[in-house]
Amino acid sequence: AQSVTQLDSQVPVFEEAPVELRCNYSSSVSVYLFWYVQYPNQGLQLLLKYLSGSTLVKGINGFEAEFNKSQTSFHLRKPSVHISDTAEYFCAVSRGSGGGADGLTFGKGTHLIIQP
Amino acid sequence: KAGVTQTPRYLIKTRGQQVTLSCSPISGHRSVSWYQQTPGQGLQFLFEYFSETQRNKGNFPGRFSGRQFSNSRSEMNVSTLELGDSALYLCASSLGGRGWSYEQYFGPGTRLTVT
Repeated sequence: AQSVTQLDSQVPVFEEAPVELRCNYSSSVSVYLFWYVQYPNQGLQLLLKYLSGSTLVKGINGFEAEFNKSQTSFHLRKPSVHISDTAEYFCAVSRGSGGGADGLTFGKGTHLIIQP
Repeated sequence: KAGVTQTPRYLIKTRGQQVTLSCSPISGHRSVSWYQQTPGQGLQFLFEYFSETQRNKGNFPGRFSGRQFSNSRSEMNVSTLELGDSALYLCASSLGGRGWSYEQYFGPGTRLTVT
């Protein structure tokens, strides 16, 4: 089975400043990695995903993430945040090619708070 | 294209009762997954249905069950409700296929409160 650790439950950042949300995973097999965002009273929306290939993945809304296999990390970054980025962010992992019975395994989430 | 819809959006039930939640996937999507979201446990995978068959299952008791119809709509049932079942239940649909590489599109969820 795999697991995900999001190291920060809450990250306050000033508007237009850069941000990094940290995610580490544990798995004995190859994995797919995802970042989702959840706005209040809404479902989750996919920001980006890593399946294979280039370790730098670009997503929607100016977000990007870098897969680091040796450090088992998949940190999310944005160079300049906006008030509208205030939301809960979830890192998730699934077993890689071949599927897996345990679906997506999510981290506990990081609440990104943008301060004006 | 319409998104994933879940009904009802809010539900209040009493301990011991049973409940059925419904999920309509995006047109053309054959895979429907269910997740439970609580403040304490976070997001946890319940099960996945593909072409009317349960393809994957998480670690939940047998009180949690589901089914999928020929039009890919899915229902989730929880019997003998417990206080701990209070949660946001999220449904996600995808094109399916083997593995989890296909993007999952989430619905807004059903907020279940058990009293």
